[in-house]
Amino acid sequence: QVQLQQSGPGLVKPSQTLSLTCAISGDSVSSNNVAWNWIRQSPSGGLVWLGRTYYRSEWYHDYAVSVKSRITINPDTSKNQFSLQLNSVTPEDTGVYYCARDAGGGLYYFDYWGQGTLVTVSS
Amino acid sequence: SSELTQDPAVSVALGQTVGITCQGDSLRDYHASWYQQKPGLAPVLVIYDKTKRPSGIPDRFSGSSSGNTASLTITGAQAEDEADYYCHSRGSKIDHLYVFGSGTKVTVL
Repeated sequence: QVQLQQSGPGLVKPSQTLSLTCAISGDSVSSNNVAWNWIRQSPSGGLVWLGRTYYRSEWYHDYAVSVKSRITINPDTSKNQFSLQLNSVTPEDTGVYYCARDAGGGLYYFDYWGQGTLVTVSS
Repeated sequence: SSELTQDPAVSVALGQTVGITCQGDSLRDYHASWYQQKPGLAPVLVIYDKTKRPSGIPDRFSGSSSGNTASLTITGAQAEDEADYYCHSRGSKIDHLYVFGSGTKVTVL
């Protein structure tokens, strides 16, 4: 059974960097057939995909255009986890952040999710 | 803005059948998945690859798809099925790799 455990601060000041971590158990961040994602849910409820990292003999990253200039998703193989960094945050970045596994196979669905982290951007 | 369109809310009497639809161009090329979300909790996958149910999801949940429309049907809705439901697929545009619907609130009366 795959489990994703998120950690990170719930309050970030405007213009600073949001940093979250997703620890994986029951799978490996280096698995050759899945992808590891970050998804945000706005206070109004909508879900938005932010980006992903995955390993296929080398590491790959894809990011949503809306955050591409500000986002970094990195794997940490020594700790079997991956992280999200979002720079220069504004109040519009407030929301619940989820990590999730894309089960792979070219079907593009998320079979395991972290518990979610509410991040508020406020001074 | 979401590339997948859902009705904001539907209601269903206890034990009856309700359908939720999701429309979008990406559904012509890519398979839909569906997620159930209850307040304060993470989304849970209920349908993937248009019609398949993960282990542990009751068989009253079923999925179908035709053209640019995907559907989730709950046959014999239970009180615990009251939740928000989101459809999802790969996006049809290169800069929208994954897209979600806006969500449908299902109320069980």
